Amino acid sequence: NAGVTQTPKFQVLKTGQSMTLQCAQDMNHEYMSWYRQDPGMGLRLIHYSVGAGITDQGEVPNGYNVSRSTTEDFPLRLLSAAPSQTSVYFCASRPLQGKHQPQHFGDGTRLSIL
Amino acid sequence: SQQGEEDPQALSIQEGENATMNCSYKTSINNLQWYRQNSGRGLVHLILIRSNEREKHSGRLRVTLDTSKKSSSLLITASRAADTASYFCATDAKGGSEKLVFGKGTKLTVNP
Repeated sequence: NAGVTQTPKFQVLKTGQSMTLQCAQDMNHEYMSWYRQDPGMGLRLIHYSVGAGITDQGEVPNGYNVSRSTTEDFPLRLLSAAPSQTSVYFCASRPLQGKHQPQHFGDGTRLSIL
Repeated sequence: SQQGEEDPQALSIQEGENATMNCSYKTSINNLQWYRQNSGRGLVHLILIRSNEREKHSGRLRVTLDTSKKSSSLLITASRAADTASYFCATDAKGGSEKLVFGKGTKLTVNP
């Protein structure tokens, strides 16, 4: 039982490049989400999904796309990377049943945009 | 914008002392959660307190919730060097939005 797995752990991109951050969970959780963490800003929600085929925007969705074709995977796409997207990205999941469920986090992807 | 705001932003104590962190939030909630983040790692869930609960314990952790003041506190008793980490509160707002909103965190340093 690996929990939430994020790949890659580190990535450096040039402005304008695209990439996909991968997130997979093996706990059969319906709810998955992406956060970014910047110094002094805490975690801010980018996008989330309550099940396969269903996604919605969070607090800071601009510049990011998501899709949810399976319960296990929730990739985050940067179509044209900008220096403002330099951050640490965390994926999280939890069961959807019941209102009081904690989230399980991956170890993050550290992304630098030059 | 952040729902929860932790106070203080940073806290430095000696091993064996107690550490208290506070969290204030703005809207009605279903529950409030506390997470720990060690340097370079993801967040780990510590404790969840529901809106109809006032106090909860888990090992050396004690969480209180005052919904009238929209505030919560996390107390770590008999702190250890291994407790050094950042601590975040997160609120699950009423209204069915399925969003967990995090505060900016308190950085705790426990000196041996």
